[in-house]
Amino acid sequence: AQSVSQHNHHVILSEAASLELGCNYSYGGTVNLFWYVQYPGQHLQLLLKYFSGDPLVKGIKGFEAEFIKSKFSFNLRKPSVQWSDTAEYFCAVTAGGTYKYIFGTGTRLKVLA
Amino acid sequence: EAGVVQSPRYKIIEKKQPVAFWCNPISGHNTLYWYRQNLGQGPELLIRYENEEAVDDSQLPKDRFSAERLKGVDSTLKIQPAELGDSAVYLCASRASYEAFFGQGTRLTVV
Repeated sequence: AQSVSQHNHHVILSEAASLELGCNYSYGGTVNLFWYVQYPGQHLQLLLKYFSGDPLVKGIKGFEAEFIKSKFSFNLRKPSVQWSDTAEYFCAVTAGGTYKYIFGTGTRLKVLA
Repeated sequence: EAGVVQSPRYKIIEKKQPVAFWCNPISGHNTLYWYRQNLGQGPELLIRYENEEAVDDSQLPKDRFSAERLKGVDSTLKIQPAELGDSAVYLCASRASYEAFFGQGTRLTVV
């Protein structure tokens, strides 16, 4: 069965620090990859997605992610975090041409002002 | 544009009681999902609809959970009877193309 692993459950950073959140998935075929964010008290929102092409994808608010097929990874990065980036981040995958989103357990990011 | 609307936002019930959640997806979205999110976990799919047809309900505990999507628009998820372990956030999402849009969820507490 497909699964998604997020290694960091809680991350605390100071403003202007760089961010990298890990995401690995298990599926041998074609996948679509997503990062969703949930700000406090709000609903899940799409940050960025990868379907095909350039493995480095850019999303909203300065976030980017790199798809490394050989490592089954899709790590999220941001060069300089802001206090407003405090949120929970979820990696998700759809596989085999389906639109069944499988989510990781999430990473709770706290950015200190 | 209105997003995915869910109600109620919060629900507290005693165990063995029934409960229902309602979802109004974004207009024109044919795919509708119900997810359950336990504390500290990511969302887990309960059921997926394409229009009014349930195309994936393999993870729906059918002994106590039921769902319907009449006319391929609004959807209702029901639990009867509720158990303590059903306490979670129930999320509805809808999709037209690649992006699934989520509602704010219903936080269910079973006491």
